[in-house]
Amino acid sequence: SYVLTQPPSVSVAPGQTARIPCGGNNIGSKSVHWYQQKPGQAPVLVVYDDVDRPSGIPERFSGSNSGNTATLTISRVEAGDEADYCCQVWDTNGDHPVFGGGTKLTVL
Amino acid sequence: EEQLLESGGGLVQPGGSLRLSCAASGLTFSNYGMSWVRQAPGKGLEWVSAISDSSSRTYYADSVKGRFTISRDNSKNTLYLQMNNLRAEDTAVYYCAKGHWNFQRWGQGTLVTVSS
Repeated sequence: SYVLTQPPSVSVAPGQTARIPCGGNNIGSKSVHWYQQKPGQAPVLVVYDDVDRPSGIPERFSGSNSGNTATLTISRVEAGDEADYCCQVWDTNGDHPVFGGGTKLTVL
Repeated sequence: EEQLLESGGGLVQPGGSLRLSCAASGLTFSNYGMSWVRQAPGKGLEWVSAISDSSSRTYYADSVKGRFTISRDNSKNTLYLQMNNLRAEDTAVYYCAKGHWNFQRWGQGTLVTVSS
C-alpha cells in the first residue's frame, strides 16, 4: 500500500508562512488533496488536485507537488489556521484513497 | 447548501452489528460517488469504503473487507454502512463524505464505540 509521510507538528508565528510537507514515492505523479481539521470538527477540503482551491477557501492556502514531496503552503498565517492538516492521494495499485498521518499546525 | 448528516452510531459489544446512515441534502446525490472515512480517538483519518454513483462499484479497506457493506438509496438520498462482527479497533468517529477520488464535503460524524 502507498505510504504518505507527514511531520507530526509544524509551528509558525502569526503573519509568517507555514509549509507542511507530505512525502511519498514519486508523489509528483499523483494528484494530492489537503484537508484541514479543527478540534471537534469534520475535515474540510482546502486544496485539491495539487493546486486548486474549493470555493470559499482563502487564497492564502496553496499547494505544490513535485518529485517525492507535496507541500501545503499557508501564507500570512492567522490564529484561526491552527488545526491538523492531512494530505491524501489515490493509490492506483490498491485502487483506494490513502491519507497521510496528519500534521498539527501550531500558531505561536 | 450541501449537507451530510450521519446517524446510527452508538455503543456495541464486540461481535455485534450496527448500521450507519448518511442523509444528503442540497446536492444531486445520484451524481456522486460517496465514501465512509473513520477516525479513531486521537488518530488520523482512515478511508473505510466507497461506492460509485450508480452502486455498480464498491470498494473496501482491507481492515473491513468481508465485515462491512456499503450501499445507497438514490431515491432517498441516503448512504449506508452495514457493520458486522465489530471489533474494538473499529471504535472511531465515522464520517460520510461526498466523493471517492477526493472528499469535497463531510458530515459531522457519528461515534461508534465497540466495547464490552
